[in-house]
Formats: sequence, structure tokens, C-alpha cells
Amino acid sequence: GENVEQHPSTLSVQEGDSAVIKCTYSDSASNYFPWYKQELGKRPQLIIDIRSNVGEKKDQRIAVTLNKTAKHFSLHITETQPEDSAVYFCAASTSGTYKYIFGTGTRLKVLA
Amino acid sequence: NAGVTQTPKFRILKIGQSMTLQCTQDMNHNYMYWYRQDPGMGLKLIYYSVGAGITDKGEVPNGYNVSRSTTEDFPLRLELAAPSQTSVYFCASSYGTSQPQHFGDGTRLSIL
Repeated sequence: GENVEQHPSTLSVQEGDSAVIKCTYSDSASNYFPWYKQELGKRPQLIIDIRSNVGEKKDQRIAVTLNKTAKHFSLHITETQPEDSAVYFCAASTSGTYKYIFGTGTRLKVLA
Repeated sequence: NAGVTQTPKFRILKIGQSMTLQCTQDMNHNYMYWYRQDPGMGLKLIYYSVGAGITDKGEVPNGYNVSRSTTEDFPLRLELAAPSQTSVYFCASSYGTSQPQHFGDGTRLSIL
């Protein structure tokens, strides 16, 4: 069946360094790739998304890249800050299927 | 706009009891979803709905039921609660397929 693999499961970086989280999807028809941030005890919130007709999207310190040939997409956070510490989930969605396939999450710790 | 509202926020049930988790959204979204999130884990889809009167099973539907009589409301029913259903339950909604999902604040359910 369809699945999304997410790596790494945990990531620790020093404040100010960059963090990269990678997801690989199996359904070549997937065309929408959102990223969610979930702080401890809170709900998941969308931080950035990308569609299959775009290779890269950036929003201030956050960027997402998509490689359709290799079927993987990555979240890049630059100049990390302590408030970036959270669990990040990637997902893949295909038009007409009504649902996301979520990755298993990455726990990011930014060390001050 | 309140977005997606879930009630109650916390609940403790005894084994064998039943309850309904409420979810309502004020964004006029057609698509609504119920997820469960076990401690330290990702999101698992229980049920979803693509419009009033239309529901379908996700990956972990056993022990749950849903209904969708209006666009706004998507209640989740637990019958004969079991300890394995101890989890955090999130309701989400979206405008359409391959669109951002908006999550409620969750219901933390313990079954003892």
C-alpha cells in the first residue's frame, strides 16, 4: 500500500544551525506535500506545503524541496531557534483520494 | 472564525462505557477527518467524510462509528470503550482534496 517514510526520527541541532528532514513517498500520483509542526501537547499546524508542479518553496527560514523523479521531499529550517523544537510531520496526498498519508514524525530539538 | 472545535478536551472513561467526541467546524469545509495519536507516535486515520451523509473508514476504524448529518458537525462515537482506545483524538477539516487540513485542539481520552 501507499506509505511515506520519514527520516530521521530524532534530530538535535545547535541553535543557529540548519535542520533537514527528508520524506520518501511511494505513490507516484501524489501531488500535494504538506509539512506540519506539532508542539508538545498541541495540535498539528501547517507550516509549509508544496505541489507537484513546483520544485522548491520558501517562507522566511523554512523551505521545502521536491524531487518527483526520486519521489522524495525535504524540509529545510535555517538559523534554528529554540522555538523550532517540536515534532514535524510530512504527508503526501493524491487528488481524488481524500486523505493524507502521514510520515511517522521527526522530533527536532534545538539546543541553546 | 473559531476553526475546528472539539469537545470535551479531556475525559476519563471506564472500560465498557460509551461516549461521543464532538467536532464542529465553521469554515464550510466539505472534508472532515478523525485521527488518533498514541503517545510519541504519528497520526492514524480512523474515519473521514467528504460531505454530509458520506463517510468512509480509515486505517483504524474498529471500535468507532461516525455520522455526518451536517457540513459543520462530525461526531465520533466510541462503543464499549477499551484500554487500547486510550489516546489523543484529533478532528480535522479541509476545503478539498490535496488541500491543507486544519486541526482541532484534540480530546485526551483515558480508559481505565
